[in-house]
Amino acid sequence: DQQVKQNSPSLSVQEGRISILNCDYTNSMFDYFLWYKKYPAEGPTFLISISSIKDKNEDGRFTVFLNKSAKHLSLHIVPSQPGDSAVYFCAASDLNRDDKIIFGKGTRLHILP
Amino acid sequence: GAGVSQSPRYKVAKRGQDVALRCDPISGHVSLFWYQQALGQGPEFLTYFQNEAQLDKSGLPSDRFFAERPEGSVSTLKIQRTQQEDSAVYLCASSPPDSPNTEAFFGQGTRLTVV
Repeated sequence: DQQVKQNSPSLSVQEGRISILNCDYTNSMFDYFLWYKKYPAEGPTFLISISSIKDKNEDGRFTVFLNKSAKHLSLHIVPSQPGDSAVYFCAASDLNRDDKIIFGKGTRLHILP
Repeated sequence: GAGVSQSPRYKVAKRGQDVALRCDPISGHVSLFWYQQALGQGPEFLTYFQNEAQLDKSGLPSDRFFAERPEGSVSTLKIQRTQQEDSAVYLCASSPPDSPNTEAFFGQGTRLTVV
């Protein structure tokens, strides 16, 4: 039972354009959402997060949007750069319960020159 | 060190062998998590400690898996009688005592291959 779903295994985007990575979740108790980025042979690194009381959080080139009614969030990267090529994991947590983070399967982003 | 440290980085075990994977969290971090990441999958939760207390072990796939954190810092994940399906990268993460504190910091992982 996948509580966090990333339905696109991979995505290719031209350098300089916007990358949009999507994520859906099923557990309505999730109240904190995170995006992690992972390069080969490294552990995931935290990128950006959003609390369920917000619908948008921006940090430089990265913006996360949350649509609670649709149980959907997305990560926008603009402009996309070659170093953004990595696997991106969407993750969620129920902070009222514990700190456990549930991950999606990831989307591999390729930035094309 | 400044980050979460895991050892060994790579481990090859013969089927049936026992293995022990070590995690040194960031100093002062209260929460510690173990995840299993199979090829092409996202990290799957295994177990969670707050200090030395194991608060959730619902993700451990079988009773061959055992984790401990006796002094609330270093943690060991032990897998007994390894099977081929145990082959994966085992990730450890820790997070500080602030709340919300779910911005967990991950180690580089231990890649376990069971042959």
